[in-house]
Amino acid sequence: EADIYQTPRYLVIGTGKKITLECSQTMGHDKMYWYQQDPGMELHLIHYSYGVNSTEKGDLSSESTVSRIRTEHFPLTLESARPSHTSQYLCASSRVNTEAFFGQGTRLTVV
Amino acid sequence: GQQVMQIPQYQHVQEGEDFTTYCNSSTTLSNIQWYKQRPGGHPVFLIQLVKSGEVKKQKRLTFQFGEAKKNSSLHITATQTTDVGTYFCAGRGVTGGGNKLTFGTGTQLKVEL
Repeated sequence: EADIYQTPRYLVIGTGKKITLECSQTMGHDKMYWYQQDPGMELHLIHYSYGVNSTEKGDLSSESTVSRIRTEHFPLTLESARPSHTSQYLCASSRVNTEAFFGQGTRLTVV
Repeated sequence: GQQVMQIPQYQHVQEGEDFTTYCNSSTTLSNIQWYKQRPGGHPVFLIQLVKSGEVKKQKRLTFQFGEAKKNSSLHITATQTTDVGTYFCAGRGVTGGGNKLTFGTGTQLKVEL
């Protein structure tokens, strides 16, 4: 079982609220990723990091922001949630050029 | 940016039939990985291919990496109901230190008895 954790698992929140999705891993991986996935659809890379204080935007434009102050922690923040942000958010981590381990995901609903 | 497409998008098969999904990248890849995602679950790593023309087998699954390192395939022989799920390829580009892991569009497999 991979040691990567996401909280919360499920979140229902009102439009305009600020939210932070948490992701932590205990494997010492340098690389971490955030993907957005609608049910049964493809994974869209929205942010990635290759080390502390190094973050990049992914292929899908996103209104979210990330930070990487510690190796094990890679939180994603939405400053003002909108219904279009409703989706599943998956966090993953890996070493250099090796397999990615995924968390259980956060299912976000914005009402 | 790097794009990774998979075909077909969906596949229904009868149990015992074979299944193949194809993965094509717009750019050359340093390596290709394959993942399986069960309904309601998260992607789980299956295998990684690194060398041009590489072929690897895992029981009924055969994975290939193209000579140009821009395409790959996954073939399942004699499908079983436990094979149900979505299969994704994922690639790292040769530039940018391989930091970005881009997933393909996925192929959803349904197996009927």
